[in-house]
Amino acid sequence: QVQLVQSGAEVKKPGASVKVSCKASGYTFTGYYLYWVRQAPGQGLEWMGWINPNSGGTNYAQNFQGRVTMTRDTSISTAYMELSRLRSDDTAVYFCARDRAGDNWFDPWGQGTLVTVSS
Amino acid sequence: EIVLTQSPASLSLSPGERATLSCRASQSISSFLAWYQQKPGQAPRLLIYDASNRATGIPARFSGSGSGTDFTLTISSLEPEDFALYYCQQRSDWPLTFGGGTKVEI
Repeated sequence: QVQLVQSGAEVKKPGASVKVSCKASGYTFTGYYLYWVRQAPGQGLEWMGWINPNSGGTNYAQNFQGRVTMTRDTSISTAYMELSRLRSDDTAVYFCARDRAGDNWFDPWGQGTLVTVSS
Repeated sequence: EIVLTQSPASLSLSPGERATLSCRASQSISSFLAWYQQKPGQAPRLLIYDASNRATGIPARFSGSGSGTDFTLTISSLEPEDFALYYCQQRSDWPLTFGGGTKVEI
């Protein structure tokens, strides 16, 4: 079955960077866009951007432009999201999600990775 | 950016009752709306896409309707496992945006 498995929780200091991975299985990795969405504690969902695993092309939400970098390694069917210059308000659970069928709906999702930014 | 407003913020119901959740868009989004369910400590799960299509494996008690700016998610008869948070999401324009959520609680 289609599955996305993310890397484990991280604790970072303000100003540092974090890189979260998302390993895909059960489908052709290069056939579907992958999205990143975050959720601050007790808050709603915020779309961060997408990566086309086939071409490596990306599209980032304006709120994250200049701080986020999405990459992939097709040899191991893994996508990455790196967020730099971390602030305390970047503390959140970060999810990867696959495009359902070329239609910008998110299905399925990874289990989420908690990133805590604290001095 | 398109703002999605969900109402009510929370809904107190009992198993077997009908739940009606609303999502209103700040501008017309045609039928480009999805609904997700999220339980505590879990990732969201796609329930409905393109306003009214059930995702794979979603029970028939979940239905979606609406177009333009007003959308509804209906759960015809609540099961114990349906008590959760529900979010709407639009794909009509970038950035993709989500509503603030409706909590369905006992």
